[in-house]
Amino acid sequence: KAGVTQTPRYLIKTRGQQVTLSCSPISGHRSVSWYQQTPGQGLQFLFEYFSETQRNKGNFPGRFSGRQFSNSRSEMNVSTLELGDSALYLCASRLTLAGGQYFGPGTRLTVT
Amino acid sequence: DQQVKQNSPSLSVQEGRISILNCDYTNSMFDYFLWYKKYPAEGPTFLISISSIKDKNEDGRFTVFLNKSAKHLSLHIVPSQPGDSAVYFCAASETNDYKLSFGAGTTVTVRA
Repeated sequence: KAGVTQTPRYLIKTRGQQVTLSCSPISGHRSVSWYQQTPGQGLQFLFEYFSETQRNKGNFPGRFSGRQFSNSRSEMNVSTLELGDSALYLCASRLTLAGGQYFGPGTRLTVT
Repeated sequence: DQQVKQNSPSLSVQEGRISILNCDYTNSMFDYFLWYKKYPAEGPTFLISISSIKDKNEDGRFTVFLNKSAKHLSLHIVPSQPGDSAVYFCAASETNDYKLSFGAGTTVTVRA
């Protein structure tokens, strides 16, 4: 079974731009979560989608948004990028909300 | 506010010796705890977990201990091997709120 895939793997954007990251979960998994990883902060939870509905949301500004499609693929969008948004963005999928999470390799976003 | 804390950002241990990683949490509602391991350029992978009804869980060289009264858990790796060099994240969640809260991570380096 293929693992969680994320595209693109690396991205460089400038302040003020917007970006869309994509995540394809493991086949059959209906839950997709997004995390931001920065040095010293660990993994900060952004949001989780299950069956196209946002089930949980972390403490991030409204510039961070996401959605999930009927095939469980998910996208995360960040508008009006700031330098502090530079981070590794990780996506994780699981079969159910109570199941174990499987992480993708992440998208490294650099904002200049 | 960081609800899961890993106060040691790094740990260096000699091959064959024990590695002890510590994790503290503040939310008394947390009842499920996990450890993840992360290599560079890869997403975190699940290592071991423990439910709050237990105080110890063992899986091969990895043992997790939970002290609920102290809101503290630890991961023991015995014996440590060079392939154990990675970043280890502690995570916690509570029943009915399946969002995972992660610590900042501890970088383990196993010296030959």
